[in-house]
Amino acid sequence: GESVGLHLPTLSVQEGDNSIINCAYSNSASDYFIWYKQESGKGPQFIIDIRSNMDKRQGQRVTVLLNKTVKHLSLQIAATQPGDSAVYFCAEGAGGANNLFFGTGTRLTVIP
Amino acid sequence: DAGVIQSPRHEVTEMGQEVTLRCKPISGHNSLFWYRQTMMRGLELLIYFNNNVPIDDSGMPEDRFSAKMPNASFSTLKIQPSEPRDSAVYFCASSPGVGGQPQHFGDGTRLSIL
Repeated sequence: GESVGLHLPTLSVQEGDNSIINCAYSNSASDYFIWYKQESGKGPQFIIDIRSNMDKRQGQRVTVLLNKTVKHLSLQIAATQPGDSAVYFCAEGAGGANNLFFGTGTRLTVIP
Repeated sequence: DAGVIQSPRHEVTEMGQEVTLRCKPISGHNSLFWYRQTMMRGLELLIYFNNNVPIDDSGMPEDRFSAKMPNASFSTLKIQPSEPRDSAVYFCASSPGVGGQPQHFGDGTRLSIL
């Protein structure tokens, strides 16, 4: 049969607009969450993280929101730029463990 | 500061050959992770080490894969014999070794098995 690859969710935004990328997680014990950006030909790059004792954390042009009630994580990018085009991954960790569990990723395309 | 360094960046070899991928973690990091990324399966954790000791190798596909960490500044992932289905991008990452800290990734080795 024909091989089918992962179908990445995609998001296209106009340059200058705000972007919101969403992630659902399933492990109630997860207490550490992190967003990565992966550009073509490169490894995932750390953007921002948040612990479960917080529900919002801000960085430079990025904000992560955590809703533990519905197990939802989002990444907001303000004033999206062409250089923000990449695949974005959320990851979760639990109980002080070192390993992280990664989502499948969302492809963000910024339209100039 | 130097990040995680992987070599080679690209490797093309024929099936049946032995392949060795190398990783130098960030100095001072106590945890090292090997991942594989493919279009079919996304990013998969193969194995990780704490203080040079393998902690979880449940993601290693089969006995053809092995990983070592002889010291705190070097790790290898070996495939012997290699098969076309091993073609993927292999990433190494390191972290300080305490939970709740980000992993820092190298730029990967793109492996093609013909």
